[in-house]
Amino acid sequence: KQEVTQIPAALSVPEGENLVLNCSFTDSAIYNLQWFRQDPGKGLTSLLLIQSSQREQTSGRLNASLDKSSGRSTLYIAASQPGDSATYLCAQKDDYKLSFGAGTTVTVRA
Amino acid sequence: ETGVTQSPTHLIKTRGQQVTLRCSSQSGHNTVSWYQQALGQGPQFIFQYYREEENGRGNFPPRFSGLQFPNYSSELNVNALELDDSALYLCASSPGVAGNTIYFGEGSWLTVV
Repeated sequence: KQEVTQIPAALSVPEGENLVLNCSFTDSAIYNLQWFRQDPGKGLTSLLLIQSSQREQTSGRLNASLDKSSGRSTLYIAASQPGDSATYLCAQKDDYKLSFGAGTTVTVRA
Repeated sequence: ETGVTQSPTHLIKTRGQQVTLRCSSQSGHNTVSWYQQALGQGPQFIFQYYREEENGRGNFPPRFSGLQFPNYSSELNVNALELDDSALYLCASSPGVAGNTIYFGEGSWLTVV
């Protein structure tokens, strides 16, 4: 059974601080690892996708790394802004489905 | 804007009743997946349909069933509703089973009382 764990469950930082969000997964044979953002009561928006053959992906202030040997992925958000406040979920994909962690809820204080 | 539309956005049902949730996929996407997200939890995979056939199923009882239509729109049906079925139900469409592209709808909030 695939299990995805995200720690911490919640995080509060002052504006401008860098964010580090952690994700652990149990299946080293993952197809890919994806990070999503979810605003309260809304659907999911894909942020970054890392193929199993890749080590990291970057988009603007966001950078995600993947270490299959240790079963870990990390999402870095540089110079956080109040608009970054949301829940961030990671998910590993097998052949056809995504297995999600419970998410990390981030609050960026102005 | 993901191009995935779900309806209704919110609904309240009584325990024991039946509910149908609907999803309109993004144009050209032949694969639809449904997920259940309880409050404070990550989404859990219910099932996936590919070209009108069920392609995979998560750990959900048979009272959760689905349909995919020739235009690739989809329905999720839940019979004999239980209080624990209260959740956000998310539909996701993708252009194929094994690809990386996936778009989620805004979800349908179901409350069972």
